[in-house]
Amino acid sequence: KAGVTQTPRYLIKTRGQQVTLSCSPISGHRSVSWYQQTPGQGLQFLFEYFSETQRNKGNFPGRFSGRQFSNSRSEMNVSTLELGDSALYLCASSLVWGADQPQHFGDGTRLSIL
Amino acid sequence: AQTVTQSQPEMSVQEAETVTLSCTYDTSESNYYLFWYKQPPSRQMILVIRQEAYKQQNATENRFSVNFQKAAKSFSLKISDSQLGDTAMYFCAFMKPGANSKLTFGKGITLSVRP
Repeated sequence: KAGVTQTPRYLIKTRGQQVTLSCSPISGHRSVSWYQQTPGQGLQFLFEYFSETQRNKGNFPGRFSGRQFSNSRSEMNVSTLELGDSALYLCASSLVWGADQPQHFGDGTRLSIL
Repeated sequence: AQTVTQSQPEMSVQEAETVTLSCTYDTSESNYYLFWYKQPPSRQMILVIRQEAYKQQNATENRFSVNFQKAAKSFSLKISDSQLGDTAMYFCAFMKPGANSKLTFGKGITLSVRP
C-alpha cells in the first residue's frame, strides 16, 4: 500500500509569490491534516480536511488556505509569501476525522523563501 | 490548551544500550492519546508507539516501550538494544479525540546512537 505522497519535495520561491503544495493520502484514508515544521516553532498544526470540508484550523493567518478534493487528495496554498514561511510542510492522513486513528505522514515539502 | 514538553534537546547512547527519552504534558482532559514519532534525516515522520490514556498498561512495540504515568502527566519512551538506525529526532505528541482533534507536538529530542 502506497504511503502519503507529497509533491513537490523541494520548492524555492521569492517573497510576495504564492505557492501550492499537494498531498495524496494513503488509499482509503479520508482525513488529511497539514503541519508546518520550523526550527524555532517546531511542529504546528495548520488545518484538517475531511469529506472536502475543513474541520479544524490552527492559528495561522488567512494567507494559508487549503482544500480537499472528492478523491481525498488535498492542496495547501500560501499567498503573499514571507521569509518566515520557509519551513518543512508535512501532510498526514488518517482513516476518518476526529477519532482515535493514528496519523501517517508524508516526506514533506521543503519550502524556501528567498 | 494542551502543551507537550520535551526538556532534553539532545541525547546520545552507545549501540546495544538502553536509553529513555522524557516527555511531560499538560491537559485537563481525561480521555486522550499520546504518541511518540520518529523523524530520521529522510524527514518522514514515523509513528513509533501509541498510548491510550484510559489504558493503565504501558504500550510496547518490539524494542520500544513507554512508561505512562497519568497522574504525573509523564510519558517517557524507552528504547532497548539501541541500533544505529534509531538515530533520529523523536517527538512526543498529544491528541484529544473529537471535533477538534489534532496532534500537539513537543519540540523534539535529537537522539544519536554511537557505534
